[in-house]
Amino acid sequence: SAVISQKPSRDICQRGTSLTIQCQVDSQVTMMFWYRQQPGQSLTLIATANQGSEATYESGFVIDKFPISRPNLTFSTLTVSNLSPEDSSIYLCSVGLDYNSPLHFGNGTRLTVT
Amino acid sequence: GQQLNQSPQSMFIQEGEDVSMNCTSSSIFNTWLWYKQDPGEGPVLLIALYKAGELTSNGRLTAQFGITRKDSFLNISASIPSDVGIYFCAGQDDTGANSKLTFGKGITLSVRP
Repeated sequence: SAVISQKPSRDICQRGTSLTIQCQVDSQVTMMFWYRQQPGQSLTLIATANQGSEATYESGFVIDKFPISRPNLTFSTLTVSNLSPEDSSIYLCSVGLDYNSPLHFGNGTRLTVT
Repeated sequence: GQQLNQSPQSMFIQEGEDVSMNCTSSSIFNTWLWYKQDPGEGPVLLIALYKAGELTSNGRLTAQFGITRKDSFLNISASIPSDVGIYFCAGQDDTGANSKLTFGKGITLSVRP
């Protein structure tokens, strides 16, 4: 399976600021996704990062709050904008090597908003 | 929307014991996946199941895809301390990464030495 690197691994941010999270994969992958895991909760899909086009967002998530870039098949960024304490979560990058592969996850970015 | 039910929320077992975890759904899935998450890390794929009735092993872990396609179970045999963690089941409508994963809420497993 691919090696997935997320940066930063954790951050503490002030209310009203933004945080950009990077996801780098050591090989080209077909699918890249961003998930959120709120404290003590399960994983919720934010969006599918589409290479060269706008991301596809799930219900309850919007581009203005969670802009996503995917310039190529190995890299994506998720920005969490206008932070509030409710955004304190773990944000996880997930990849599928091809359409028939199960998803693998990065180690996540633990965000705390003060 | 689709929901996956995992219960209980926590399980406590003695080292060396076997443990079984179930995951049930109100709707059909075509793929079932089991992940384990350790503190401070992302979920790690344990077993993927693609066919109803399929029984797959990975070391001390065995998982089955239910015949109805609405459930799956994961067995861990001869538990050891490093089995501690959160176990998530996940379902997909279609085989393949282009299909959205629905996750259960997870079961936190504790192993007493």
